[in-house]
Amino acid sequence: AQSVAQPEDQVNVAEGNPLTVKCTYSVSGNPYLFWYVQYPNRGLQFLLKYITGDNLVKGSYGFEAEFNKSQTSFHLKKPSALVSDSALYFCAVRDLSGNMLTFGGGTRLMVKP
Amino acid sequence: EPEVTQTPSHQVTQMGQEVILRCVPISNHLYFYWYRQILGQKVEFLVSFYNNEISEKSEIFDDQFSVERPDGSNFTLKIRSTKLEDSAMYFCASSPSESTSGGYYNEQFFGPGTRLTVL
Repeated sequence: AQSVAQPEDQVNVAEGNPLTVKCTYSVSGNPYLFWYVQYPNRGLQFLLKYITGDNLVKGSYGFEAEFNKSQTSFHLKKPSALVSDSALYFCAVRDLSGNMLTFGGGTRLMVKP
Repeated sequence: EPEVTQTPSHQVTQMGQEVILRCVPISNHLYFYWYRQILGQKVEFLVSFYNNEISEKSEIFDDQFSVERPDGSNFTLKIRSTKLEDSAMYFCASSPSESTSGGYYNEQFFGPGTRLTVL
């Protein structure tokens, strides 16, 4: 069975500083990995995905994520955080055999001015 | 930009009552999904739907649940006899068909959710 872990419930960072939101996964076969963001009273918005190819994936709003197969990780990063980045971030994995996304528990990102 | 929409935003019902949650997926999408998130817990997959039939479902999706695409635009989730533990945020999602770009690799587009409260 596939699973995703987001070890941090909350990440605090000052505006302008780099941010990292951690994600590790477990899946049989090749993983398809996704990051979603949720703002208050909104649905999950797609940020980026890793399917194959370059381990560094670039996405929306200046976010990027690094796929590390040996560490089974897919950490979300941004070089310079904005206050408006404050939201709930979800990592998700999908395997080749099905349609379902398996989500991590979410990490609340707080960016302070 | 096209969006997935869901109605109602909040539904309150009595235990044992039937509820229908409605979703309008993005118009050219052919795969449809329901997920739910119990307060404080993970987002969990319920069911996926393609070509007018269920393509995959989780253990949560028991006989009390059903899905339907009654017309060309709506996608519904019905809970026949609600229980207290059905209280959750229910998210609908859709994704493009395999033929348009990437198949399994397509991201799913989520609606804003319906908060279901069972009393």
